[in-house]
Amino acid sequence: AQSVSQHNHHVILSEAASLELGCNYSYGGTVNLFWYVQYPGQHLQLLLKYFSGDPLVKGIKGFEAEFIKSKFSFNLRKPSVQWSDTAEYFCAVILNTGFQKLVFGTGTRLLVSP
Amino acid sequence: ETGVTQSPTHLIKTRGQQVTLRCSSQSGHNTVSWYQQALGQGPQFIFQYYREEENGRGNFPPRFSGLQFPNYSSELNVNALELDDSALYLCASSPVTGNTGELFFGEGSRLTVL
Repeated sequence: AQSVSQHNHHVILSEAASLELGCNYSYGGTVNLFWYVQYPGQHLQLLLKYFSGDPLVKGIKGFEAEFIKSKFSFNLRKPSVQWSDTAEYFCAVILNTGFQKLVFGTGTRLLVSP
Repeated sequence: ETGVTQSPTHLIKTRGQQVTLRCSSQSGHNTVSWYQQALGQGPQFIFQYYREEENGRGNFPPRFSGLQFPNYSSELNVNALELDDSALYLCASSPVTGNTGELFFGEGSRLTVL
């Protein structure tokens, strides 16, 4: 079955530290890849997406992610985190099903200390 | 704010009861999906509605059912509640039904089954 793995369940960083959150998926076909973020007390929202083309994609708030097809990975990065980046981050894939079935990872809870 | 509203925000039921959760989609969005997010897990796809018909379903039993109305609002019904149904239920809307993966989520309805 298709699945998404996020390696880190909890990450604690100090402000200005660099961030990399791992994401691997298991699916041999064409996939579209996403990172969603849920800030405390808020709804889940799209951070960035990859459909095709340049494997390095940029999202909102200085986040970027790199798609490495050979490794089935789509890691999220940010050079310098801020306290306001404290949130839960979900990697997700959408399969070519003809409908909006997102398969999510279990999430990584990021805490940035000021 | 996404414009997707869900009600109720919290509710408590006992095993064997039935529950109805409601969702108003963002203006102009004709596709609604429902996800279940258990504690410590990522959201799991339940089903999607497009033009008042279910057009995609995840691995959930038939006691999970739904409706979409002409104004694109939606309901999720769960019969014969079980303890494992305790979760956050997320509604998401989209302007299209294809594989874009760009969903606009509500803040969820948290169901506790005792």
